[in-house]
Amino acid sequence: NAGVTQTPKFQVLKTGQSMTLQCAQDMNHNSMYWYRQDPGMGLRLIYYSASEGTTDKGEVPNGYNVSRLNKREFSLRLESAAPSQTSVYFCASSPQGTVDPIYGYTFGSGTRLTVV
Amino acid sequence: TQLLEQSPQFLSIQEGENLTVYCNSSSVFSSLQWYRQEPGEGPVLLVTVVTGGEVKKLKRLTFQFGDARKDSSLHITAAQPGDTGLYLCAGDEETSGSRLTFGEGTQLTVNP
Repeated sequence: NAGVTQTPKFQVLKTGQSMTLQCAQDMNHNSMYWYRQDPGMGLRLIYYSASEGTTDKGEVPNGYNVSRLNKREFSLRLESAAPSQTSVYFCASSPQGTVDPIYGYTFGSGTRLTVV
Repeated sequence: TQLLEQSPQFLSIQEGENLTVYCNSSSVFSSLQWYRQEPGEGPVLLVTVVTGGEVKKLKRLTFQFGDARKDSSLHITAAQPGDTGLYLCAGDEETSGSRLTFGEGTQLTVNP
């Protein structure tokens, strides 16, 4: 089915290790986003890409980097993982650079990351 | 401090009861969206409200956008176990352009 695909679904890292979370969408959307979800804190924006070739910081960018590889793919990298980065990470996409009132954001099913 | 405050954070009710979830802010939003999230999945869009005072209905769910476009509510009539899930409001702040800010969520459990 069309949508947003995230890999991996689960990951356990040791403190200091690095990893890249992958996200791909096949809906020809222009904008893509990375959020983290922690209990009682809702979804917080890490980075976003309003269009291919651009990336911007969100609310909680420290400790992360992103790459908009092409229109389909938007990856999130943790260079040196810390226990505070234990979370569920969601990638999302939307058709255009402004919030779409009809389609909103389409989310992937998430990556559950534990840093020990 | 959360830009969007949702209340209550948790709600456990019996099948057939009515409930209301609130989403409040001091900021003005161009639009406000409600999402529902089930365990192990990402949020799914339920509705978008754009005009101050707007009311939208989706079967047993009624969504309202405040006149000043700073708050919203979700009312569920005759709740069913299938309504169980995490309900999230998300606002498109007038100054943010392309980014949605999410509330903390309301975890609803409807018991049979």
